[in-house]
Amino acid sequence: EDKVVQSPLSLVVHEGDTVTLNCSYEVTNFRSLLWYKQEKKAPTFLFMLTSSGIEKKSGRLSSILDKKELFSILNITATQTGDSAVYLCAGGGSQGNLIFGKGTKLSVKP
Amino acid sequence: GAVVSQHPSRVICKSGTSVKIECRSLDFQATTMFWYRQFPKKSLMLMATSNEGSKATYEQGVEKDKFLINHASLTLSTLTVTSAHPEDSSFYICSARDEGGRNSGYNEQFFGPGTRLTVL
Repeated sequence: EDKVVQSPLSLVVHEGDTVTLNCSYEVTNFRSLLWYKQEKKAPTFLFMLTSSGIEKKSGRLSSILDKKELFSILNITATQTGDSAVYLCAGGGSQGNLIFGKGTKLSVKP
Repeated sequence: GAVVSQHPSRVICKSGTSVKIECRSLDFQATTMFWYRQFPKKSLMLMATSNEGSKATYEQGVEKDKFLINHASLTLSTLTVTSAHPEDSSFYICSARDEGGRNSGYNEQFFGPGTRLTVL
């Protein structure tokens, strides 16, 4: 059965800290790994990773995929209170479907 | 990125009534749209894959006669919750895949803002 497991489930940090969110996956006919940020409404797209070892960056956020270990991490440096959200990881299969993890709830305190 | 809209954003209805939720891709065509349900503090669960011009594909455990999906055009999919009951109360989210445009990426899905359904 396909599954995506994220850790930790929740995390509380202070502004300025650096955090690393983890995602492991088992997805049949895997094609890509996606990260989303969910605040009060629907998820917003962050990254899509298809190749191992190539880091994707967007401002203070970066992510990398290890297809051998079936693992991805999302890093956020110099965290701000606006980074507080649930971060979702999803594995994409050959049917175009996404299998979501339960998310990591990040709380950034001032 | 691509924009997906949903309507309504919130609906409250009585038990036994039917509710229709619309999902539109605003600046791209989407052959495939997805419908998810999310319960409080839970992850998104795929309910069904909506295919333009053909029948939807439902995930195991999702009743196709209860959750009717119609994907009549390349920019619109609708989900109708028939004879809604309180246990159907949830956050319903649609997503669409831009399959040929500037936003193309095979698994990349753009999400609508969601519809909060409360069945009394």
